[in-house]
Amino acid sequence: DGGITQSPKYLFRKEGQNVTLSCEQNLNHDAMYWYRQDPGQGLRLIYYSQIVNDFQKGDIAEGYSVSREKKESFPLTVTSAQKNPTAFYLCASQGQGGYEQYFGPGTRLTVT
Amino acid sequence: AQSVTQLDSQVPVFEEAPVELRCNYSSSVSVYLFWYVQYPNQGLQLLLKYLSGSTLVKGINGFEAEFNKSQTSFHLRKPSVHISDTAEYFCAVRAGGYNKLIFGAGTRLAVHP
Repeated sequence: DGGITQSPKYLFRKEGQNVTLSCEQNLNHDAMYWYRQDPGQGLRLIYYSQIVNDFQKGDIAEGYSVSREKKESFPLTVTSAQKNPTAFYLCASQGQGGYEQYFGPGTRLTVT
Repeated sequence: AQSVTQLDSQVPVFEEAPVELRCNYSSSVSVYLFWYVQYPNQGLQLLLKYLSGSTLVKGINGFEAEFNKSQTSFHLRKPSVHISDTAEYFCAVRAGGYNKLIFGAGTRLAVHP
């Protein structure tokens, strides 16, 4: 089955630790995206990548970092510089010439 | 810059009643419009999209939406809802030439028996 996988589903970390969220897609899509979701605020774009080895900051990139070494993978690192990292994180992809984005199941990160 | 406003944060409705979830957008260029549904602790699933052509768009699960350019709206409707439609619904806009979606804050639809 083609789709987007995110792992793990739930992640717990202590404050001050960096943590990396995984996102993999087998849809052969060029573009990939990371969003953060907080209650009542919809989805906010963290980073996006339209091609391998290239990525751009979204609206709330501070405290986050990404890499795009392979077409199918777009991991997100939440660094200790992110002030409020507890949130639901969603990864998405979009095919070349396509208009809609396809979403993974999400990772819920809790930092205490 | 584009923006999306979902006019209702919560919409309670009884089972088998009709429902309308409202979405307004602002953009100075042509747009593509989308509605997504999110069930608890899951990702987003595309319900329907407007790219061009007919302003009435039909999607999955019996939903439909109408694009109104003069009112810059893209309201989502369903003539008869089911308990299983209880979820959060997001309206999104993509401006022509840009590869990013702008999302509204979401509308929580609660269907009661």
